[in-house]
Amino acid sequence: GAGVSQSPSNKVTEKGKDVELRCDPISGHTALYWYRQSLGQGLEFLIYFQGNSAPDKSGLPSDRFSAERTGGSVSTLTIQRTQQEDSAVYLCASSFYTRELFFGEGSRLTVL
Amino acid sequence: GESVGLHLPTLSVQEGDNSIINCAYSNSASDYFIWYKQESGKGPQFIIDIRSNMDKRQGQRVTVLLNKTVKHLSLQIAATQPGDSAVYFCAENPGTALIFGKGTTLSVSS
Repeated sequence: GAGVSQSPSNKVTEKGKDVELRCDPISGHTALYWYRQSLGQGLEFLIYFQGNSAPDKSGLPSDRFSAERTGGSVSTLTIQRTQQEDSAVYLCASSFYTRELFFGEGSRLTVL
Repeated sequence: GESVGLHLPTLSVQEGDNSIINCAYSNSASDYFIWYKQESGKGPQFIIDIRSNMDKRQGQRVTVLLNKTVKHLSLQIAATQPGDSAVYFCAENPGTALIFGKGTTLSVSS
């Protein structure tokens, strides 16, 4: 597709389980970002990948959160031992270097 | 038209009015700024951007103004339409990832 694709679009899980969220960025984009948006709130930066550079992980809220980007393309955000406060929409975006970000539709995570 | 001073979480306007949404950014090193529109249940969509070497940029029905002296950004929407109803976010780039401000919910009534 032409846009950023995220899966799953909705995920319901039980507290304590691990979840993986996937992002397929726009082909050719060098940068990939993960943001978190809680209900009615703004976008909270989580992690940023730019080319082959080391990722900027400064926004990850705890060591339960991790992300990887394979082959400079697809990215997976993993949340281990999920907690109820992890419930949010997780948004992925990609860009060509530091230009405008193109966002996916998000993955809505609900932790029961 | 209606203008707001500092950031307000909501703005209600009548169809056809001009809207002004304000944003204060935090990092003096930021050299690139973007406005995004987010409709319910969707990801943010790019509206307009501006670099720090400019103080004004116009698009279709939208204008972004940048005041670096007071670190203030504004989005002006001309002849606001019901389809403009959404949450609007400003974002700054201090050199790494975009940092988003608090959103403003724009409600347009007919």
